Amino acid sequence: TQLLEQSPQFLSIQEGENLTVYCNSSSVFSSLQWYRQEPGEGPVLLVTVVTGGEVKKLKRLTFQFGDARKDSSLHITAAQPGDTGLYLCAGPPSTSGTYKYIFGTGTRLKVLA
Amino acid sequence: EAGVVQSPRYKIIEKKQPVAFWCNPISGHNTLYWYLQNLGQGPELLIRYENEEAVDDSQLPKDRFSAERLKGVDSTLKIQPAELGDSAVYLCASSLTFGTVGELFFGEGSRLTVL
Repeated sequence: TQLLEQSPQFLSIQEGENLTVYCNSSSVFSSLQWYRQEPGEGPVLLVTVVTGGEVKKLKRLTFQFGDARKDSSLHITAAQPGDTGLYLCAGPPSTSGTYKYIFGTGTRLKVLA
Repeated sequence: EAGVVQSPRYKIIEKKQPVAFWCNPISGHNTLYWYLQNLGQGPELLIRYENEEAVDDSQLPKDRFSAERLKGVDSTLKIQPAELGDSAVYLCASSLTFGTVGELFFGEGSRLTVL
């Protein structure tokens, strides 16, 4: 059973377009993180959100944690080819201990020049 | 500072053969994770160590998989015997956990192909 469902699964867009990736669960999470993974490498942390309703911005990326701490979104403005990769949300369910990080199903993004 | 080191990067074996993967975490990181990742999907947790203690191994198929973390540093993940469905990338991550949030640092992974 996958606790964190991401949508869409795949996304192919043109450079300059905006996009949003969603991460949803029926469980409450202590915090949520977003990672990006490139082929042949391990995931790399982009951001951590901790408080329900929290919004964080990282250049062209905006991350939001749902008020109930069951969902999160990642919005990219004016996507660039360098944004291409597998985006993963992850977090510890509130009932599973602080450091048991469960990963989402993943969203594969391809930005065309 | 050196990152998480995994070996081998690639391994091809016949089914029913044994295989082992090694992970050297970032120095000082007390928590170590092993994940399994299928192509294009999110990593699935196999086992988590805090220091040398396995604190979460509920997802580890114990009939064929085993893991150890000697002296709370390096870790080895073993599969014996391997099955076709074990073909995947095995990721190791480490974290210095304190407070309520930890950042996971991943190695490049060990890609296993079972023929």
